[in-house]
Amino acid sequence: GAGVSQTPSNKVTEKGKYVELRCDPISGHTALYWYRQSLGQGPEFLIYFQGTGAADDSGLPNDRFFAVRPEGSVSTLKIQRTERGDSAVYLCASSSGGTSYNEQFFGPGTRLTVL
Amino acid sequence: DAKTTQPPSMDCAEGRAANLPCNHSTISGNEYVYWYRQIHSQGPQYIIHGLKNNETNEMASLIITEDRKSSTLILPHATLRDTAVYYCIVRVAGANSKLTFGKGITLSVRP
Repeated sequence: GAGVSQTPSNKVTEKGKYVELRCDPISGHTALYWYRQSLGQGPEFLIYFQGTGAADDSGLPNDRFFAVRPEGSVSTLKIQRTERGDSAVYLCASSSGGTSYNEQFFGPGTRLTVL
Repeated sequence: DAKTTQPPSMDCAEGRAANLPCNHSTISGNEYVYWYRQIHSQGPQYIIHGLKNNETNEMASLIITEDRKSSTLILPHATLRDTAVYYCIVRVAGANSKLTFGKGITLSVRP
């Protein structure tokens, strides 16, 4: 079946602009995660959804970052007033929540470049 | 979640076993050891996990020491496609919690 998909694959924007990044999880997966990865670093947790609600948003760096998952499936990560430091690969993952180990399946990521 | 320590890099010859070490000396009794890998320009991929017994699947074997303070991921016959960053992560199982990644170990498989 289809894996996690993310769009766009690449996004170039200018400092101060608003961007939206989309994640389509594996069908039926109730848990959805956002991470971001800077060059040479491991992925860093941002937010986790269980269904429609954000169960843990402790990783969001500041109030310019916001994410939604209104119908418990597709999620959108929104970044306002982008800064050059926001440049990174944004990864989305989903899990079924039904297994004892809750393997997370990752998408290919969206590479965001803020000029 | 407990912290893990991995060397930054290692290499091995194609066809040979790759043994990737990980230290997790502060692991708690209810925390599992997970391994993920990330091939260049792709998202991380789950490999294997274990609590205290050794585990094996089609991708790899996981050896956990008796005191659970360290573990080794074994790729029995490394191929060029196994070149990737490998992350050792400690996490409470059964919870839909975040994964806390370190920098991982970069494995380079040479021809």
